[in-house]
Amino acid sequence: DVVMTQSPLSLPVTLGQPASISCRSSRSLVNSDGNTYLNWFQQRPGQSPRRLIYKVSNRDSGVPDRFSGSGSGTDFTLKISRVEAEDVGVYYCMQGTHWPRTFGQGTKLEIK
Amino acid sequence: EVQLVESGGGLVHPGGSLRLSCVVSGFTFNNYWMAWFRQAPGRGLEWVANINQDGSTIFDVDSLRERFTISRDNAKNSLFLQMTSLRADDTAVYYCAREDGYNTNDYWGQGTLVTVSS
Repeated sequence: DVVMTQSPLSLPVTLGQPASISCRSSRSLVNSDGNTYLNWFQQRPGQSPRRLIYKVSNRDSGVPDRFSGSGSGTDFTLKISRVEAEDVGVYYCMQGTHWPRTFGQGTKLEIK
Repeated sequence: EVQLVESGGGLVHPGGSLRLSCVVSGFTFNNYWMAWFRQAPGRGLEWVANINQDGSTIFDVDSLRERFTISRDNAKNSLFLQMTSLRADDTAVYYCAREDGYNTNDYWGQGTLVTVSS
């Protein structure tokens, strides 16, 4: 199975400051079709997961442009340019290139 | 509006069975792969299984295959997860989710809680 490793696991951030989460995979996530199926999800307290980013860097509809995804191969990053109070929650990366689908451990973002 | 509504969770004794359902609306169900995920209390997300549009192709977690079975009824816009021989470590919120064309899940239900306890 592809192991997804996120860091940090806890991320205290001051409102208005940037935040960055790293996600590394144990194998390349480049699919045979040339696409890289790396996704980012946000899970606010008490809510279902919400997809933010798909295929490394594509923002879902309604996702604020302060969220951005980047990376390639085995090394990926989610960045929030200016953290807002509504961003509190747990962030997960998930790979969709290989079976079984696997998630990172999650990064808990909190406001300092 | 796309909606996915899970049901069928509850308290079950170890060794028991449950059948989870997910009824969808707001999109053409038989055009999409569907998936089940779960999340144990205070833990991360875990993929359980995927099923293709007509139910002919299934991918699932090796360790759960003997006990969990994903299926669908396109006439009823419904996705199912049959769970048998349940154990305490199956206790989790179970989510159904639609899979879009990018090998990922764009819409999720609200989840249904399964508690396995004596």
